[in-house]
Amino acid sequence: DAGVIQSPRHEVTEMGQEVTLRCKPISGHDYLFWYRQTMMRGLELLIYFNNNVPIDDSGMPEDRFSAKMPNASFSTLKIQPSEPRDSAVYFCASSPGTGYTEAFFGQGTRLTVV
Amino acid sequence: AQSVTQLDSQVPVFEEAPVELRCNYSSSVSVYLFWYVQYPNQGLQLLLKYLSGSTLVKGINGFEAEFNKSQTSFHLRKPSVHISDTAEYFCAVSNTDKLIFGTGTRLQVFP
Repeated sequence: DAGVIQSPRHEVTEMGQEVTLRCKPISGHDYLFWYRQTMMRGLELLIYFNNNVPIDDSGMPEDRFSAKMPNASFSTLKIQPSEPRDSAVYFCASSPGTGYTEAFFGQGTRLTVV
Repeated sequence: AQSVTQLDSQVPVFEEAPVELRCNYSSSVSVYLFWYVQYPNQGLQLLLKYLSGSTLVKGINGFEAEFNKSQTSFHLRKPSVHISDTAEYFCAVSNTDKLIFGTGTRLQVFP
């Protein structure tokens, strides 16, 4: 397996535009996580899915953020409208189980909103 | 609720010197503990984890960590660091579905 694949690796967009980040988890993994990494706040868990169902979205900062997982091999994180304070590295991770199991991370999408 | 505190944001050290990166956690129930490493422009990868049993856990690249329940700590150690160990290190805790990370410690190894 190629690991967790995220696209794009880099995204530069203007304030107010819609941004969509994509993630392909490792095949067979039941859990998918979206994290945001910034210098100020470190790694924040935004939302996670179990078997394509959102379980906890309490980390999603505001209604401008939304995430979907239409099938076991694809997830999106959408920001609309984007703002400069959304600039960060967004990571997707997947895991075969919960609690004691390892999460496997993608290489991240560096988002810059100007 | 669980939380993780990494006491040092940066740790500078010379090559071949020992290093300890500190991590304390807070949880009202039993937890699983992890250390992840992030190299520049990369995602995170697992160094080691504590699930149960022996409190001394050995991981990849010569790292080890010790779980101390009374002090609620899970400090990461390496007896002799290399330049290639320069990276960001994250402590994490989980007892359910969520993996909660600390703010990270930047280890800078100098020649």
